[in-house]
Amino acid sequence: KAGVTQTPRYLIKTRGQQVTLSCSPISGHRSVSWYQQTPGQGLQFLFEYFSETQRNKGNFPGRFSGRQFSNSRSEMNVSTLELGDSALYLCASSLTGQSSYEQYFGPGTRLTVT
Amino acid sequence: AQSVTQLGSHVSVSEGALVLLRCNYSSSVPPYLFWYVQYPNQGLQLLLKYTTGATLVKGINGFEAEFKKSETSFHLTKPSAHMSDAAEYFCAVTLASGGSYIPTFGRGTSLIVHP
Repeated sequence: KAGVTQTPRYLIKTRGQQVTLSCSPISGHRSVSWYQQTPGQGLQFLFEYFSETQRNKGNFPGRFSGRQFSNSRSEMNVSTLELGDSALYLCASSLTGQSSYEQYFGPGTRLTVT
Repeated sequence: AQSVTQLGSHVSVSEGALVLLRCNYSSSVPPYLFWYVQYPNQGLQLLLKYTTGATLVKGINGFEAEFKKSETSFHLTKPSAHMSDAAEYFCAVTLASGGSYIPTFGRGTSLIVHP
């Protein structure tokens, strides 16, 4: 099976712009989660989608949003970018999102905001 | 609610030496526990997990971890370190029932292996 893919791998944006990141989960996986990883804060949960519905949300401002399509592919959008949004954004998929199931991570999108 | 504490942001060992990465958790109900590894410029990869049953769990690349309920610990060990083990290691916890099944991750431990 193909793993989790994320596009693009690298992005450079300017403050105030918006950005959309894409994630394709492993075939058959219905749960997709997004994380922000920074050296200072570690891995922080953004949100989780299951069957096109946001099922869980982390403590991030409304500038961070996401969606999931009927084929389970997911996108996350960040509007009005700030310097502090520079991070590695990781997408993870899981079969059903149940707590005993491990997550499979993509390689991440490295976002740099200048 | 659950939480994870990884003791030591950096652990340095010599090649061939024992690797011990510490993880302590806090949860109000039985936990499910995971160890992930992250190599540079890559996502996280599952090393092993504990859900139920045997408390000593064997994972990939020669790693194992033991769930100790009385100590609320899930330390990761490997008898003999290899240079290729140098990476960032994350412990994570979810709850077996109730609460959120979104995993809570520790801050990570960077394993440095010296020749």
